[in-house]
Amino acid sequence: GDSVTQMEGPVTLSEEAFLTINCTYTATGYPSLFWYVQYPGEGLQLLLKATKADDKGSNKGFEATYRKETTSFHLEKGSVQVSDSAVYFCASVGGNTPLVFGKGTRLSVIA
Amino acid sequence: DGGITQSPKYLFRKEGQNVTLSCEQNLNHDAMYWYRQDPGQGLRLIYYSQIVNDFQKGDIAEGYSVSREKKESFPLTVTSAQKNPTAFYLCASRSPSRGGRETQYFGPGTRLLVL
Repeated sequence: GDSVTQMEGPVTLSEEAFLTINCTYTATGYPSLFWYVQYPGEGLQLLLKATKADDKGSNKGFEATYRKETTSFHLEKGSVQVSDSAVYFCASVGGNTPLVFGKGTRLSVIA
Repeated sequence: DGGITQSPKYLFRKEGQNVTLSCEQNLNHDAMYWYRQDPGQGLRLIYYSQIVNDFQKGDIAEGYSVSREKKESFPLTVTSAQKNPTAFYLCASRSPSRGGRETQYFGPGTRLLVL
């Protein structure tokens, strides 16, 4: 079946450092890909998405590019802030089926 | 204001008691989902419904039950058969149009604690 694998954390960075969180997927066909963010005690919020190969999703300084050749959707941000501290989930969906989530990556940014 | 509401924010369950978590959406979405999240863990799918009066078991349905009598509502009952119910419960909804590629939105969650 479909699956999503993302790098396990926790990831700890200093403010203004560069962030990469790796995400790869396995799926039949061409799924849509998502990154969600979860702040402590809250639900998941959509951060960005991409629906076809070579699409780049972006929001709040975060970016991810849909790479069909490497089946990847890595999340990047050039300069993280303390307020970016959260858990990040990569997810894929390929039809009228439930989203498939990665296990989440906890990011801590220290001043 | 469109969105998903879950209530209550915190819920306490006594041993042997059934409790029901509410989930309501006004996004006109056909599909709704319930997930369980344990501390420091990812999401596990409990039940989902793609249309009114129909629902399917997810990966961890044992000890839970649902109903989908109205499009906007998808309540989850945690039964006494669920021996370890303490967790954070998240409801979500999605429109299955365009081959299911629509974005899935989440509610704020309900934290269930056992007394």
